Amino acid sequence: ETGVTQSPTHLIKTRGQQVTLRCSSQSGHNTVSWYQQALGQGPQFIFQYYREEENGRGNFPPRFSGLQFPNYSSELNVNALELDDSALYLCASSFRGENNEQFFGPGTRLTVL
Amino acid sequence: GENVEQHPSTLSVQEGDSAVIKCTYSDSASNYFPWYKQELGKGPQLIIDIRSNVGEKKDQRIAVTLNKTAKHFSLHITETQPEDSAVYFCAASIGARALTFGSGTRLQVQP
Repeated sequence: ETGVTQSPTHLIKTRGQQVTLRCSSQSGHNTVSWYQQALGQGPQFIFQYYREEENGRGNFPPRFSGLQFPNYSSELNVNALELDDSALYLCASSFRGENNEQFFGPGTRLTVL
Repeated sequence: GENVEQHPSTLSVQEGDSAVIKCTYSDSASNYFPWYKQELGKGPQLIIDIRSNVGEKKDQRIAVTLNKTAKHFSLHITETQPEDSAVYFCAASIGARALTFGSGTRLQVQP
């Protein structure tokens, strides 16, 4: 167990709705990264948060947004959901420095109907 | 941006045999190369990593090798056991930046 927790574990939404996913980072970590994993594929980087600011973003549209809180927990928000947004959303926490070990949570399975 | 290719996509071995998974990366600036194991319904678990100043690293039955000149790195699992069955992902990054993952290898260890 990594100590990274995510909620909810599963979620079903309909196209056009909005969703918020949550992540609590491992104790002592100050950086949170979010990844999208489609079925049968490797995780794809969405964005990273460090000191409550976005610190790098992958090839995802602006309807994917996030927050990091003073306790280093984080939220991923997705607006105007599309069918292709159905995936496992993974949160990874790390301590920013020379060491880039990222530890993943169990993920949130989002299904968009 | 970085591109990571991983082979094979599936690998079946007999219990006790060795398994090797290979990855290549495109960005010569990448300096951190972790390997993750993902079991069904779980998030990826970091099993070993290597940095660009090291050529090989071992941890019990698992080893990773890195060839910076050829831009490829490999995972070696010896004495495989049924509990090693999972999907394995390689990844690459530059410092503390985003990880770029390979497409995964489904390893099946036959008892």
